[in-house]
Amino acid sequence: DVKVTQSSRYLVKRTGEKVFLECVQDMDHENMFWYRQDPGLGLRLIYFSYDVKMKEKGDIPEGYSVSREKKERFSLILESASTNQTSMYLCASLSRNQPQHFGDGTRLSIL
Amino acid sequence: GQNIDQPTEMTATEGAIVQINCTYQTSGFNGLFWYQQHAGEAPTFLSYNVLDGLEEKGRFSSFLSRSKGYSYLLLKELQMKDSASYLCAASNQAGTALIFGKGTTLSVSS
Repeated sequence: DVKVTQSSRYLVKRTGEKVFLECVQDMDHENMFWYRQDPGLGLRLIYFSYDVKMKEKGDIPEGYSVSREKKERFSLILESASTNQTSMYLCASLSRNQPQHFGDGTRLSIL
Repeated sequence: GQNIDQPTEMTATEGAIVQINCTYQTSGFNGLFWYQQHAGEAPTFLSYNVLDGLEEKGRFSSFLSRSKGYSYLLLKELQMKDSASYLCAASNQAGTALIFGKGTTLSVSS
């Protein structure tokens, strides 16, 4: 079974802090994704990666960056956290033409 | 442009049948996924249609018409635990990314 693991289920940070959200998958998937999910807005793609060292902007990349130094790990970075980045963050991975698998999500609160 | 449309909310009673529709417009298309998401949890995979027609999996079935850009998820013998959000997602041509709809919140009552 595919396992996508996010480092934290709940996280509370302060405005202006640099925040790291970590995601690890154990199925050697090429493609990894970071989404945020907010009520009424659905899943919105922040960044994705097709391979190690590769990254592509999604629909809402502003205020975020990512890192993919190893195939199994995809990190989301909030450079300077703001209150409007309070959200549920979901990491996902997939192999071509296969279902996308999600991590359990990180509920991030910025105070 | 790319667009996935599905109803925002639906209600039904236990034991009933409900059909959740999804229409999609994408620049490239490989297949159609349905996910279930309970409140506070991550989406979980339900079904994947590549070819036209109906795929049945227990109480859940999914249908695809590529020519019409249309899919539906059919839930039979509804149970309270089926109360959740159902996400429709279209796969891009290469099969390497999904475009998600905003989800349909289904409420099942007794």
